[in-house]
Amino acid sequence: KNEVEQSPQNLTAQEGEFITINCSYSVGISALHWLQQHPGGGIVSLFMLSSGKKKHGRLIATINIQEKHSSLHITASHPRDSAVYICAVSNSGGGADGLTFGKGTHLIIQP
Amino acid sequence: AAGVIQSPRHLIKEKRETATLKCYPIPRHDTVYWYQQGPGQDPQFLISFYEKMQSDKGSIPDRFSAQQFSDYHSELNMSSLELGDSALYFCASSLKEGRANYGYTFGSGTRLTVV
Repeated sequence: KNEVEQSPQNLTAQEGEFITINCSYSVGISALHWLQQHPGGGIVSLFMLSSGKKKHGRLIATINIQEKHSSLHITASHPRDSAVYICAVSNSGGGADGLTFGKGTHLIIQP
Repeated sequence: AAGVIQSPRHLIKEKRETATLKCYPIPRHDTVYWYQQGPGQDPQFLISFYEKMQSDKGSIPDRFSAQQFSDYHSELNMSSLELGDSALYFCASSLKEGRANYGYTFGSGTRLTVV
């Protein structure tokens, strides 16, 4: 079973700061997901990536397959970015495997 | 664009009752996943279906069962409900091509409260 570790667990920053959230995993994967969840809310998929880098608006996600590590960056952070960010991985079996989730990073952006 | 639809959004049941949660995947998606997220917990994978057949099984209790129908929607049936079953139940769908899954999308979840 894959072990997914995220850091930091909690992060408080000022509006406008550059945010980095890290994720590492123990076993080879077919894909890594970055997810966003607001308190009491549903899960929104931000990125699914298996190599390289993806960018969407102020969000950037990178993955290094060799090092089994991924990062999520938020540029020009805003209070509406406050949420829990979750890293989740699909096993490398390539089937309809369920995701293994990290514990999440609780991000608070203060105005 | 159509998303993953779950119903009901909220459900309150008493102990020992049964509950049925429904999930309607994105059109043309052939794979459905069910997850359970307890209060303050990270989501846990329960079960998945590909082309109406069970594909992978996680930590789904024996009291729960699920299936995927010919129109690709899925239902999670929960019997003999316990207080500890109170959680947010997410469904997700994707399109499986070869070893890859495309368009992985989560529903908004069904919040089940057992009293």
